[in-house]
Amino acid sequence: NAGVTQTPKFQVLKTGQSMTLQCAQDMNHNSMYWYRQDPGMGLRLIYYSASEGTTDKGEVPNGYNVSRLNKREFSLRLESAAPSQTSVYFCASRTYIAGNTIYFGEGSWLTVV
Amino acid sequence: DQQVKQNSPSLSVQEGRISILNCDYTNSMFDYFLWYKKYPAEGPTFLISISSIKDKNEDGRFTVFLNKSAKHLSLHIVPSQPGDSAVYFCAASGGYGGSQGNLIFGKGTKLSVKP
Repeated sequence: NAGVTQTPKFQVLKTGQSMTLQCAQDMNHNSMYWYRQDPGMGLRLIYYSASEGTTDKGEVPNGYNVSRLNKREFSLRLESAAPSQTSVYFCASRTYIAGNTIYFGEGSWLTVV
Repeated sequence: DQQVKQNSPSLSVQEGRISILNCDYTNSMFDYFLWYKKYPAEGPTFLISISSIKDKNEDGRFTVFLNKSAKHLSLHIVPSQPGDSAVYFCAASGGYGGSQGNLIFGKGTKLSVKP
């Protein structure tokens, strides 16, 4: 059982380049999330999708866009990458049936130079 | 404004002793609390949770205590093992629906268990 799968695991971008982080979950979860983790900052929510067809901003949405492609997939796009977006990105998913526990992917390390 | 605070960035404990990780919150609407464990280069993994209707939840070596009046929770690990060395995140949410159901995370506490 793969759980939550993110790609790519590592990426180096030049300032101004664009890229998309892909995320897929095979647990039939309704809700999906994108977090970023920075040193000393914990996990901060970028965007979330409470259910298929809906997306909403989290705590730090600026510079990002998302697409809930279907129930399984939730992508995060950086249209014009900036050095401040250097971070570790985590996708997560949750079903309300299981309470408020969310399950994370293994992370995507992004460096913007 | 931090709604979930972990005021100790790091904690060092001897193997076999108790580890106590603390977490404070400010939002009285939070009713569900979780602890996640994170190893380097891996995603956070769920450890234990507690609902606001309880004041204690136990799972093996891990026990979470909730003091609603003080808006404080703690994670106790007994006995601590070197494999417990990781960053521990406290998280909270209020309800299931809408944005209030989203988890708010603390900044984490790095636990080091020395052999």
